[in-house]
Amino acid sequence: EAGVTQFPSHSVIEKGQTVTLRCDPISGHDNLYWYRRVMGKEIKFLLHFVKESKQDESGMPNNRFLAERTGGTYSTLKVQPAELEDSGVYFCASSQLHAAGYGYTFGSGTRLTVV
Amino acid sequence: AQRVTQPEKLLSVFKGAPVELKCNYSYSGSPELFWYVQYSRQRLQLLLRHISRESIKGFTADLNKGETSFHLKKPFAQEEDSAMYYCALKGGGFKTIFGAGTRLFVKA
Repeated sequence: EAGVTQFPSHSVIEKGQTVTLRCDPISGHDNLYWYRRVMGKEIKFLLHFVKESKQDESGMPNNRFLAERTGGTYSTLKVQPAELEDSGVYFCASSQLHAAGYGYTFGSGTRLTVV
Repeated sequence: AQRVTQPEKLLSVFKGAPVELKCNYSYSGSPELFWYVQYSRQRLQLLLRHISRESIKGFTADLNKGETSFHLKKPFAQEEDSAMYYCALKGGGFKTIFGAGTRLFVKA
């Protein structure tokens, strides 16, 4: 089966610009998560979708971040306008619904650099 | 509050030596604990989970509720074990909390 796919793999943008990250989860995985690792820090939760609904968005840093999952398939994470502190690696992960005790399958991440 | 602490940022051992990567957690309920690993130029992947009590690539981890720990152990480290290791806690719901990670370097 295809894994979790993220693109782009790298993005370098200027402060103030907009960037959209995309994640395609494993087919059939209703749960989709976005995480972020800022340089030298831990991997932090951003938000969780169950199908197309936002189950938990408590980790979204501010209103410059907007995540969508139209149709319950792929998801996008838009940063507008980007700031220097948004630089980091953005991970997407998916898991099956009601899969307690099971971990996530991660994508390879998008490395975002804001200059 | 839910928290995962990995006290060592870097752990360096010789090939064939035992290795233990420490993980302590804070959670008031019954946690689900995991170890994830990221090898160089590969994606983050699940290594093992406490619920299955499995041994993967020679690694084991035992949940100690009294000490709130979930240390990862391997009796004889191999060079290919060099990677970044993350301890993770799934508390209520489906959100997972990750530790800051420990980089394991196995020297020849």
